[in-house]
Amino acid sequence: GAGVSQSPSNKVTEKGKDVELRCDPISGHTALYWYRQSLGQGLEFLIYFQGNSAPDKSGLPSDRFSAERTGGSVSTLTIQRTQQEDSAVYLCASSQGDRRNSPLHFGNGTRLTVT
Amino acid sequence: AQSVTQLDSQVPVFEEAPVELRCNYSSSVSVYLFWYVQYPNQGLQLLLKYLSGSTLVKGINGFEAEFNKSQTSFHLRKPSVHISDTAEYFCAVSPGGYQKVTFGIGTKLQVIP
Repeated sequence: GAGVSQSPSNKVTEKGKDVELRCDPISGHTALYWYRQSLGQGLEFLIYFQGNSAPDKSGLPSDRFSAERTGGSVSTLTIQRTQQEDSAVYLCASSQGDRRNSPLHFGNGTRLTVT
Repeated sequence: AQSVTQLDSQVPVFEEAPVELRCNYSSSVSVYLFWYVQYPNQGLQLLLKYLSGSTLVKGINGFEAEFNKSQTSFHLRKPSVHISDTAEYFCAVSPGGYQKVTFGIGTKLQVIP
């Protein structure tokens, strides 16, 4: 079946603009993660959704970042008033979310460049 | 809270030589451990995982990892690497259940012909 789909694959925006990044998880996966991959920083956890539970937002770097997940499926990561340090690859992953920790399935990411 | 330390940011190794990529973790509870691999211009994919049972875990492409609770380590090994193993490898930890997965900063394995 289809994997995790992210759009757009590349986004170039001017400093100060808002951007929205979209993630379509694998159908039936209850857990959804957003990570940020920057050079030398590895995978930085941003936010985690599990079913209908309140999301774990502990990784969001500032209040300019927010995310929502509608209907337990599609998720949107929004960055307001973008800064150059926001430039990175934003990765979305989903999993079945069961207690055996089924593996994360990653999308190909959105490469964000803030000029 | 949990954390993952990958001690080597880059590891060059000659083709057909053995390799070990180091990973140490910290957690106040029992953990599940993972290695993911990212080949050039591709997304991350699971290499292997430790949930419970035997401490030696075998994964895809001839890789294996050993869970050592006393040393809080989960090092990744391969007895003979190939050019196609050139990639970035990420160690990850989760406390289990409905919890977030924390990744290390990654180790770039460069296999030299």
